[in-house]
Amino acid sequence: DAGVIQSPRHEVTEMGQEVTLRCKPISGHNSLFWYRQTMMRGLELLIYFNNNVPIDDSGMPEDRFSAKMPNASFSTLKIQPSEPRDSAVYFCASSPQRGDLQETQYFGPGTRLLVL
Amino acid sequence: SQQGEEDPQALSIQEGENATMNCSYKTSINNLQWYRQNSGRGLVHLILIRSNEREKHSGRLRVTLDTSKKSSSLLITASRAADTASYFCATGKGTGKLIFGQGTTLQVKP
Repeated sequence: DAGVIQSPRHEVTEMGQEVTLRCKPISGHNSLFWYRQTMMRGLELLIYFNNNVPIDDSGMPEDRFSAKMPNASFSTLKIQPSEPRDSAVYFCASSPQRGDLQETQYFGPGTRLLVL
Repeated sequence: SQQGEEDPQALSIQEGENATMNCSYKTSINNLQWYRQNSGRGLVHLILIRSNEREKHSGRLRVTLDTSKKSSSLLITASRAADTASYFCATGKGTGKLIFGQGTTLQVKP
C-alpha cells in the first residue's frame, strides 16, 4: 500500500519563478494537509482540505500561495512568484478521519524547495 | 502560536538508557499524539492518547497525559541508535487539525 506521494522531491528555482508542488494522498483518506517546515519556524500548517474542500487556509502566508484539490487523489500547492524566504521543506499529509485513526496523519517524504 | 512545547529541545543519551521527553500545551484538547521524524524524512505517527486516558503503551514507548497540568510525556525505554530522531507532540481538538510543537532532538549514542 503506497503512502503519501509527493513530487518533486527537490526543487531549485530562481526568485520570481512559479513553483508547483504535488501530492497524492493515501487512497480512502478524506483529509489532506499542507505543511511547511523550517528551522526558524518549525512545522507550520498552511492549509487543509476535507473531502476536497478547503477548510482552513489561515496558515497560508500570503496571496502568492495557493492550493487546490480538484479530486480525492490529487492536490497542488503553488507559489507564484517565489521568493528566497519560501525556501523550506513542504510536507503533504493525509488522514482517514474516522474511527480509531481519527486525526492520525500520514506524512509524505516532503519536497525540499530552494529559491535562489 | 504553537500549542505544544517540547522539553528538552535536545537530548543525548547512551544506547540502552531511557529517554524522556515532555510536552506542554495551552488549551483543552481531544487527543495528543507523538510523531517521530528521521533526518530528511516525513513525520511518522507513533502513538495517540485521548483526553480521557492517562497512560498508554506501545512496544518500548510509554505516553502519559495529565490534562490538569496540560502536559504529556513520552518515555522510550532501552533506547537504540535507531531511535535517533526528532520527536514532536501534536494536539488535536477533534476538528481534524493538529498543532505541532517545535520538537525534541534525540541522539542515542552507540
